[in-house]
Amino acid sequence: NAGVMQNPRHLVRRRGQEARLRCSPMKGHSHVYWYRQLPEEGLKFMVYLQKENIIDESGMPKERFSAEFPKEGPSILRIQQVVRGDSAAYFCASSPPASGGIGEQFFGPGTRLTVL
Amino acid sequence: QKEVEQNSGPLSVPEGAIASLNCTYSDRGSQSFFWYRQYSGKSPELIMFIYSNGDKEDGRFTAQLNKASQYVSLLIRDSQPSDSATYLCAVSGSARQLTFGSGTQLTVLP
Repeated sequence: NAGVMQNPRHLVRRRGQEARLRCSPMKGHSHVYWYRQLPEEGLKFMVYLQKENIIDESGMPKERFSAEFPKEGPSILRIQQVVRGDSAAYFCASSPPASGGIGEQFFGPGTRLTVL
Repeated sequence: QKEVEQNSGPLSVPEGAIASLNCTYSDRGSQSFFWYRQYSGKSPELIMFIYSNGDKEDGRFTAQLNKASQYVSLLIRDSQPSDSATYLCAVSGSARQLTFGSGTQLTVLP
């Protein structure tokens, strides 16, 4: 019973490069959420997606960040032209369909992004 | 702006004691309340959720919710050194996104 999977677990990029973070939700889960945890700070919501739809992106920085959850394949969080301030742990969570439950979210192991 | 407040700690309790973790939230429209445990360098692990006023027990853990006071707590009975971690309170409303507190660091002393 695989949990939420994320890859890569560690990613090193130089300033100006692109970072692509992948997330596969738990089996049976159709909702995906991305959160960021900056060093010594709390978890902050970034974006909520369902298949082929962005439901809520109120936590996404206005520039350089984008997310998708295609019909086939994992959800992708893309950061263009990374800067040192993007260094953080990026966590993906998934939850079951809304009906019949409160949508508790289960987290993946995270991707630790380091920008040199 | 929705806020979730936790005592940052650190909180230290002796092994076998009860650890009490507290959380307050600002949005009266909040519907569901979660406690996560996060070990250093790891991802958050869901411990419990609660959405009705009162107590909810699961093993050594009890979550308590008081919506009138906008207060959520987590009690850990018979605390073990393996319970030493950061405990995150999270709140969600109709929007489903989680708003997290900054976490309380718990140390259980052998």
